[in-house]
Order: sequence, then C-alpha cells, then structure tokens
Amino acid sequence: AQKVTQAQTEISVVEKEDVTLDCVYETRDTTYYLFWYKQPPSGELVFLIRRNSFDEQNEISGRYSWNFQKSTSSFNFTITASQVVDSAVYFCALTAPWSGGSYIPTFGRGTSLIVHP
Amino acid sequence: GAVVSQHPSWVICKSGTSVKIECRSLDFQATTMFWYRQFPKQSLMLMATSNEGSKATYEQGVEKDKFLINHASLTLSTLTVTSAHPEDSSFYICSAQAEPSYEQYFGPGTRLTVT
Repeated sequence: AQKVTQAQTEISVVEKEDVTLDCVYETRDTTYYLFWYKQPPSGELVFLIRRNSFDEQNEISGRYSWNFQKSTSSFNFTITASQVVDSAVYFCALTAPWSGGSYIPTFGRGTSLIVHP
Repeated sequence: GAVVSQHPSWVICKSGTSVKIECRSLDFQATTMFWYRQFPKQSLMLMATSNEGSKATYEQGVEKDKFLINHASLTLSTLTVTSAHPEDSSFYICSAQAEPSYEQYFGPGTRLTVT
C-alpha cells in the first residue's frame, strides 16, 4: 500500500521568510514518481514538479527547491523568500506504476501555506 | 504544460435534477482520467478512475449509479451527478494522466451547489 504524509496542516509565515513543506511517503515499490501540486484559492491544481525514484538530485526552480532523500523517504519542498502569491494549499503525491504498483496517485492531505505581507 | 478544461466551472441546480460535468484534455490524449471530490479545506478524494473505452472503476463508497462516468474518447470524460441532492454539493475536479510521465494535469474544477 502507498501512503503520503504531510504532517503540517497549516504554516503561517511573513513575506520574505523561507519555508519548508514536508512530505514523507511509504511504498513497497522500488520505482515510483513523486509530485508536488499547488492549489491556490482559485481552486485549480497546478503541477509543480515530478521526481523519479532513481534520480535523487535536488532540483531548484527559481525560489522553489526540492530535496529528495530516499534514505528517509522524504520529498520536501522549500520556498525561498516567500511571497503573498505563494499562499495556497500544497499537495505531495506518489505514483508507482510499475511492478504491480498502482498508477493511481496517492495524495497527502495537503499543507496550507499562508504568507502574510 | 498540458491543458485540461472542465465545464461548467460552477453550476446551481435544484434537488432531483441531473448535472453533467465535462473534462477535456486539450493538447494531449489521456487514456486515464480521474474524478475527485474536494470538501472545504480537505484533500482530494478520489471518486473513480476513468479509462477510455471501458467502464470506470469506482472507489469504495462511491455510488456508481449516482455518479455516472463516461470516457468516450481519449480527450473527453464526463461525470453526471444523477438525482442530485444538497449533500452532493461540492467541488468536483477532474484530471488527465499523461503517459509515460504519469503526470496529472487538473481541470479548474466545478463547484456544484444543489438547492
């Protein structure tokens, strides 16, 4: 069975602070994909990143960075110098489509990030 | 990135009527589409997996006769809420899965209010 845990329900920061959103996953599959999605107040989910299980390189995209560590089964997301527009709910998800794993993604419960001006 | 449209974006209907929601992948073909329901301040609840040309697979607890899903083509899936009741009021979201990346691209959602 697959499981994604986002222990932080809500995080509140002041603009320009750095913030890290945690994601811990469980899967028996050795190959899998991890994702992060953003859901702003408008409601539409936006794809942010996909990471293959065999690629542990960290990734940086502008103010966003992701730290994937297989040893701790974590795929954390950091926003540097947060801005009010970053206020949203962020979801971490897992898909393991090979070796009998389900291609149906498993989502975490989401972390609500509130950035105050 | 890939675009998924969903119509209508919001709908108000009377109790007992049926509502159809369309989900289209605009620039890619999607063998698999998913339908989710989301309550305020909660995570996505998967309702069903829709595969083109075959019957949808419903999650436990989701009434297949109430939530009819049709995946008629590689770019279109529809969800019909039959005999809607106020408790069906919710935010319904579809997604289309790209292959071979397995990235999901989401529609903007449909807010259904049943009065």
